[in-house]
Formats: sequence, structure tokens, C-alpha cells
Amino acid sequence: NAGVTQTPKFRILKIGQSMTLQCAQDMNHNYMYWYRQDPGMGLKLIYYSVGAGITDKGEVPNGYNVSRSTTEDFPLRLELAAPSQTSVYFCASSGGSMFIYGYTFGSGTRLTVV
Amino acid sequence: QKEVEQNSGPLSVPEGAIASLNCTYSDRVSQSFFWYRQYSGKSPELIMSIYSNGDKEDGRFTAQLNKASQYVSLLIRDSQPSDSATYLCAVNAGNNRKLIWGLGTSLAVNP
Repeated sequence: NAGVTQTPKFRILKIGQSMTLQCAQDMNHNYMYWYRQDPGMGLKLIYYSVGAGITDKGEVPNGYNVSRSTTEDFPLRLELAAPSQTSVYFCASSGGSMFIYGYTFGSGTRLTVV
Repeated sequence: QKEVEQNSGPLSVPEGAIASLNCTYSDRVSQSFFWYRQYSGKSPELIMSIYSNGDKEDGRFTAQLNKASQYVSLLIRDSQPSDSATYLCAVNAGNNRKLIWGLGTSLAVNP
């Protein structure tokens, strides 16, 4: 099982550029999440989805957009990149046994905006 | 505001000792509790989950939950240098599927 796959692993963007962080899971999980993690700041929820076609904002959604057209994929779009978006981004998913097994995380995308 | 608090550390223990990591939470309706380990530069990975009061053991790891006092702890017996990582506590409240995360405790196991 691949689990949760994130691409790319590393990316450098210039200020004002846009990009899409890809996330795919093969566990048939309905719930998917995007987090960012800054040093010493913990995991901050950006957006989440409870199923295909349904998304909602988390704690820090400004500057990001998401879509969920299929159960498997949950891409995160950065428009007009800013230095404040320099961070490590994690995608996660959870299924029906979430209360026992928690979230499964992807390996992360390290993004630098210069 | 729902909160999960952990000592940031670093917690330093000698190899072979017991490492004790603690976590308190503010929401009394919290139901499920998770300990994740995160190595530097890597993603969090689940170590233990617990939802009933008392102890739950898995190998060298024991999770302890006390809902009345609103704390959950993780004991690591016979600590190894490979246990050196940041340990994240996460709490689920009610039926929504969002976890509330602590900032993590950094553990260093010294050979």
C-alpha cells in the first residue's frame, strides 16, 4: 500500500508565483486534511474535506485553495506565493476507524518562497 | 478554545531509562487520544491511541489516560537512542474528525 503520497517533496517558489501541492491516498479514506508545520509552531490545519465535493476551512486558510473532485485526491493550491507561506506541508487522511487509528500522514512537501 | 498542552522539553534521558511524556487537554468531552512520533524532517507517525481510562501497553510503550484529571501520558521503557524524536499528543473531541494537536515534546535519549 502506498498510503498517502505527496508531491513534490521540495519546491522553491518566487514571490507571486503559484503552485499546486498534490496529495493522493489509496486507502479509500473519506476524510483528508492539509496542515502546515512551522518550527516550534506545531501543526496548523489549513483545509479539510469530509468527502468528494465537500471541503471546509481550517485555522489558517488564507492564501490557499483546495478542491476534492475524487475520494483519492486532495490538491492544495497556493496563489500568489508569499514568504509567510514558507513551511512544511503535510497531507493526511482518515477513515472509518479514525478514533482508533488516527490520521495517516504523507511524507510532506518542504516549500520555500523567496 | 480547545487546547492540548505539552512540555516542549527537551527531555533528556539516558539509554535504558524510562521516558515519561505528559499531555493535558482542556475539552472534557474529548474521546480519543493519540501519541505520534516525529523524527526531524519526517512526517508524524502513530505510536499509540487510547480512549478508555487506564493503561494501554504496546511493546516498550505504555499510554495512560485519566479523563477525570484530563491528562494522557506516554511511557517509553528501556529508552533507545532511536527513540530520540518529537512526540506529539493529539486529542479528538466529540464526533468531528478533527484532531487538536499539542506542540510536541522533544526527547533525547543519550547513549
